[in-house]
Amino acid sequence: DTGVSQNPRHKITKRGQNVTFRCDPISEHNRLYWYRQTLGQGPEFLTYFQNEAQLEKSRLLSDRFSAERPKGSFSTLEIQRTEQGDSAMYLCASSFAGGIYNEQFFGPGTRLTVL
Amino acid sequence: QKEVEQDPGPLSVPEGAIVSLNCTYSNSAFQYFMWYRQYSRKGPELLMYTYSSGNKEDGRFTAQVDKSSKYISLFIRDSQPSDSATYLCAMSGQGAQKLVFGQGTRLTINP
Repeated sequence: DTGVSQNPRHKITKRGQNVTFRCDPISEHNRLYWYRQTLGQGPEFLTYFQNEAQLEKSRLLSDRFSAERPKGSFSTLEIQRTEQGDSAMYLCASSFAGGIYNEQFFGPGTRLTVL
Repeated sequence: QKEVEQDPGPLSVPEGAIVSLNCTYSNSAFQYFMWYRQYSRKGPELLMYTYSSGNKEDGRFTAQVDKSSKYISLFIRDSQPSDSATYLCAMSGQGAQKLVFGQGTRLTINP
């Protein structure tokens, strides 16, 4: 499968715990994005990387959130001291910087439930 | 007010009907317009993309952009039960990387 992959697909955690998600983009894509989607809403932008550089962060990305893309390939999103309001689907997408339309291809998402 | 407004539905139509899905937006800087399809508990799948105003057709799907009215549409002809999903419009500005999404319209095609 050459699409975007995300792991784990589901994560249940208790409030206050730390969680980490992983995203593997399409291999030739140098841009990687994180979005969050809550029930009944469209995805909301969190942050994006071009290669290993994090170039934009949304104000939705509080101090408890950190994202990395250390070698310009896979990325991780960590949430520290989780809160019930963090329960959502976390989506990763990738694109090719030379593309005309900024076509972003999404992975299946990681569904987080904070109890 | 949200930058992108989309009627959440739900919208239910019989098989074979023509479906019209719409979004309005407020940011005149948006230049790239996309439609994604999302099945329940799956990631969004890119269906159509257009640049600036105009029409684009791909099989049973037609995307229209009217920048003067800040209004975009997706038409589905000969709708099938497999088209039942949530349809998300998304857009971005020139040079901008983030996509701004509508709320999504939940569509059901009844056999």
